[in-house]
Amino acid sequence: GQQVMQIPQYQHVQEGEDFTTYCNSSTTLSNIQWYKQRPGGHPVFLIQLVKSGEVKKQKRLTFQFGEAKKNSSLHITATQTTDVGTYFCADLTGTASKLTFGTGTRLQVTL
Amino acid sequence: DAGITQSPRHKVTETGTPVTLRCHQTENHRYMYWYRQDPGHGLRLIHYSYGVKDTDKGEVSDGYSVSRSKTEDFLLTLESATSSQTSVYFCAISSGRAEAFFGQGTRLTVV
Repeated sequence: GQQVMQIPQYQHVQEGEDFTTYCNSSTTLSNIQWYKQRPGGHPVFLIQLVKSGEVKKQKRLTFQFGEAKKNSSLHITATQTTDVGTYFCADLTGTASKLTFGTGTRLQVTL
Repeated sequence: DAGITQSPRHKVTETGTPVTLRCHQTENHRYMYWYRQDPGHGLRLIHYSYGVKDTDKGEVSDGYSVSRSKTEDFLLTLESATSSQTSVYFCAISSGRAEAFFGQGTRLTVV
């Protein structure tokens, strides 16, 4: 079955440093969604990417969809303590809208 | 926040007993999902539904069953709970090719 892996599993940065998480799939991704989960909370939707090579920005966050639609990335510029949490990619596939999540990257930001 | 409620929020049960978790939505969304979240494993899809009485298995469906007799409710049943089913369970809803909204989660402990 489909496997969606994220790297790294965990990253600890100083506030102000940049951060990137990568999402890689063994099969072609359909629609990629990104979510953020704060400690003790539930996942919250950030963005959806649909087209090959698509790039979207939300303030300090930049999302990319690979040309071959087998990978995606989330880059955060100048991290802040409010960026702490676990970031998940998820693939939305099929007519039944099956939503499969990646393994997640936990981000810790310290002053 | 989207109208999605999980109940109970916390439950402790004994090995071998049946357990039912409920997900209730007021958004009239077609798609509903059950995930479990365990350290190091991200969010794993248990079952999902693409309409009333229309359900399908996810990647970790063994030991779980679901039912959806009306649009607003999606029930997850552990027929005979085992310690390996101790986890945090999340329900999510979606209108389709769009973001998913998550419930607050149910923390289940099987002793």
